[in-house]
Amino acid sequence: ELKVEQNPLFLSMQEGKNYTIYCNYSTTSDRLYWYRQDPGKSLESLFVLLSNGAVKQEGRLMASLDTKARLSTLHITAAVHDLSATYFCAVTSNNNNDMRFGAGTRLTVKP
Amino acid sequence: DGGITQSPKYLFRKEGQNVTLSCEQNLNHDAMYWYRQDPGQGLRLIYYSQIVNDFQKGDIAEGYSVSREKKESFPLTVTSAQKNPTAFYLCASSMGMSPEAFFGQGTRLTVV
Repeated sequence: ELKVEQNPLFLSMQEGKNYTIYCNYSTTSDRLYWYRQDPGKSLESLFVLLSNGAVKQEGRLMASLDTKARLSTLHITAAVHDLSATYFCAVTSNNNNDMRFGAGTRLTVKP
Repeated sequence: DGGITQSPKYLFRKEGQNVTLSCEQNLNHDAMYWYRQDPGQGLRLIYYSQIVNDFQKGDIAEGYSVSREKKESFPLTVTSAQKNPTAFYLCASSMGMSPEAFFGQGTRLTVV
């Protein structure tokens, strides 16, 4: 069974600082997703990572994938208040197409 | 514009009633998903479908039912057997020309 673990679950940062969110998964996967969710809203797609060594960047966020370690990271550079949200990773397994989520990381960026 | 639409946005259910949540997509996606999200929690998979007329149970399927008669539509019925249905329900679709998976805006269900 595909399991996805995310850490930390809660993250409080000062503006301007850097930090990394980690996402581990239990079985081989062909797709890894990162999403952002604002309170009371749906999920906004940030990145899709498809292959080992994939790296994608958008603004202050950079995501990477190591399929051998079954690990993805979401790196935040020089955080700003607008990045405050909950971030989820999700993984689809190679065997079927079920997509399972980590528990989410609630990020708060303080001035 | 292409997208995935959930309706209604808010839904109130009396105890013992069945209610159906709608999810429609015009992205030509093969796969569709239903998730439940409780306050402050992550997303738990209820059901998913990879193709028309086929669907599989997720982690918390008890008390829910689905159908996939058309590629565009994947309605979720919350039955009276679901004892604690109050939650935020999210529908998603994927497996089109792009690898991305997109979410609808969600339906907030409340038992009154």
